[in-house]
Amino acid sequence: EVKLVESGGDLVQPGRSLRLSCDGSGFNFDDYAIHWVRHTPGKGLEWVSGISYNGDNIAYADSVKGRFTISRDNGKKSLYLQMNSLGAGDTALYYCAKDENHDILTGVHPLDTWGQGTLVIVSS
Amino acid sequence: DIQMTQSPSSLSASVGDRVTITCRASESVRSYLNWYQQSPGKAPKLLIYAASALKSGVPSRFSGNGFGTEFTLTISSLQPEDFATFYCQQTASIPWTFGQGTKVELK
Repeated sequence: EVKLVESGGDLVQPGRSLRLSCDGSGFNFDDYAIHWVRHTPGKGLEWVSGISYNGDNIAYADSVKGRFTISRDNGKKSLYLQMNSLGAGDTALYYCAKDENHDILTGVHPLDTWGQGTLVIVSS
Repeated sequence: DIQMTQSPSSLSASVGDRVTITCRASESVRSYLNWYQQSPGKAPKLLIYAASALKSGVPSRFSGNGFGTEFTLTISSLQPEDFATFYCQQTASIPWTFGQGTKVELK
């Protein structure tokens, strides 16, 4: 079974940092691009960041550029999201999602498998 | 950034109804358009990719159409498990963007 499991979500104060993890199983982790997508009840789904199968191509939403860093360790079948300078606008349920494509360049990118999400709350 | 606008934002329908949701892009996304279904408390689920390709295992009552800036998702006969929120997403240009969602509710 293809599976993604997120962890690391927490209640943090504004300005602090947090690192999310996403562990993959049931597929060749190093063959696929993987993304972070967040969900809030008010705004719906927002694509946050994506990384190609080998880590060579990385992209971010404007709202997190310069504050968040995506990375992956294919040996551990894990994806990470380092989140710095967190603000209230970052409060969301964060999902990792597997791309059917190996890269993140323009094209067909079905996000065919999603984890269950990890909750980040930024509040004092 | 490419803006994705869905209409309607919500709709009420009955089991067996035919439902169509529209997604418009602020500029052409060619056929790089996906549709997802999200039920309350659940992760999004891929339904349609490349505008009209049905993901394996998704019921054939779901269909997608369109190219460029205008797309539709149609459910030919609404089933009880289809009451959820549906999102379109473009992957033609980074940053990828989603529509605001269309909530399908029971009439």
